[in-house]
Amino acid sequence: QKEVEQNSGPLSVPEGAIASLNCTYSDRGSQSFFWYRQYSGKSPELIMFIYSNGDKEDGRFTAQLNKASQYVSLLIRDSQPSDSATYLCAFLSGGYQKVTFGIGTKLQVIP
Amino acid sequence: GAVVSQHPSRVICKSGTSVKIECRSLDFQATTMFWYRQFPKQSLMLMATSNEGSKATYEQGVEKDKFLINHASLTLSTLTVTSAHPEDSSFYICSARRDTSTDTQYFGPGTRLTVL
Repeated sequence: QKEVEQNSGPLSVPEGAIASLNCTYSDRGSQSFFWYRQYSGKSPELIMFIYSNGDKEDGRFTAQLNKASQYVSLLIRDSQPSDSATYLCAFLSGGYQKVTFGIGTKLQVIP
Repeated sequence: GAVVSQHPSRVICKSGTSVKIECRSLDFQATTMFWYRQFPKQSLMLMATSNEGSKATYEQGVEKDKFLINHASLTLSTLTVTSAHPEDSSFYICSARRDTSTDTQYFGPGTRLTVL
């Protein structure tokens, strides 16, 4: 079983719609979860981190964490063409410094 | 903000040469830095964890004698690819952990290495 599961996509949504990105993880000891955005040919940039069950909102982005079900999601409201990128979820392995990344979901926002 | 720089951004070298990549945290001190490699259309693969003042911890399958890591100060870590070969061509990205309480990593812009 992979440590992090993400649908590689592409996920296509029309401009203005809500994009929903999902990620599941296998390590029940994980405490910290991250969403990064990576444009083609560029390095990842941090969007959000979340530690507690529930929702965390930052502007158009909402991260959702459900530790019981071992999934974390990212919602992007009012999607813009500039949001088109690959979104990587990541988690910090329980008890370790190591952060494990998913393969990323490619998002395409259609004008 | 949390700014991490890398130098060079792009390097092309001949097979057999060594290449050094620098990673700097510009506005914070980073006791821990990480080196990743990313091949086209693949995810980030952690190569090693670099701790200031101590030896790096390498991931399984990464040759420590080929990928030399030095973390001499709280703001600088270097990765040297020794005797580079075409299969080492990749996108190398460093990250620095700014805050141990959140474990958040901030990435440098990456270095694209092409070995001819």
